[in-house]
Amino acid sequence: EVQLVQSGAEVKKPGESLKISCEGSGYTFTNHWIAWVRQMPGKDLEWMGIIYPADSDTRYSPSFQGQVIISADKSINTAYLQWSSLKASDTAMYYCARGSGWFDLWGQGTLVTVSS
Amino acid sequence: SYELTQSPSVSVSPGQTASITCSGDKLGDKFACWYQQKPGQSPILVIYQDNKRPSGIPERFSGSNSGNTATLTISGTQATDEADYYCQAWDSSTSLVVFGGGTRLTVL
Repeated sequence: EVQLVQSGAEVKKPGESLKISCEGSGYTFTNHWIAWVRQMPGKDLEWMGIIYPADSDTRYSPSFQGQVIISADKSINTAYLQWSSLKASDTAMYYCARGSGWFDLWGQGTLVTVSS
Repeated sequence: SYELTQSPSVSVSPGQTASITCSGDKLGDKFACWYQQKPGQSPILVIYQDNKRPSGIPERFSGSNSGNTATLTISGTQATDEADYYCQAWDSSTSLVVFGGGTRLTVL
């Protein structure tokens, strides 16, 4: 089955670091870009950036440049999204999705809650 | 920065045609696509490259894109089509992606 499986929900405190993952299976992981998309509670979708797992070429939305790091490990078909110091405003659902111009396969989402 | 504007809500009666629009400067010069998102679920691609349907998407979903407006049309709307719909544009020269604010489709 072609799918993207994301890591589980996280509850963190402000200032803590976090790395969430997205594992692809059922297709050639290195042939497709992987994007990360944020959805804050009750809000719309926001594109954060994309990575090409074959060579780790990465592009960021200007809104998220410097706020997060997107990476990938092609040996285990996994992409990552990480924060070095979380803020309460990072509380959201985070989706990974396959593609660059459009996204034809989505993960189930990882809920990140940041609260003191 | 580039912005896409969608009406917050659209209502339609079952069996009727729903049209959801997305506006952006010279949007017709970019590729537009559309996603359906139901509560508690991940988005699903319903239209890509302006008017193409992924496999498994019913024929009642169609799309167009010209000038400053992209349109998602749902013919013979069903109760199961009730969801939030997001447009998305891709600037191939910069690889940047932008989503619209979403439209809630209500099937009355």
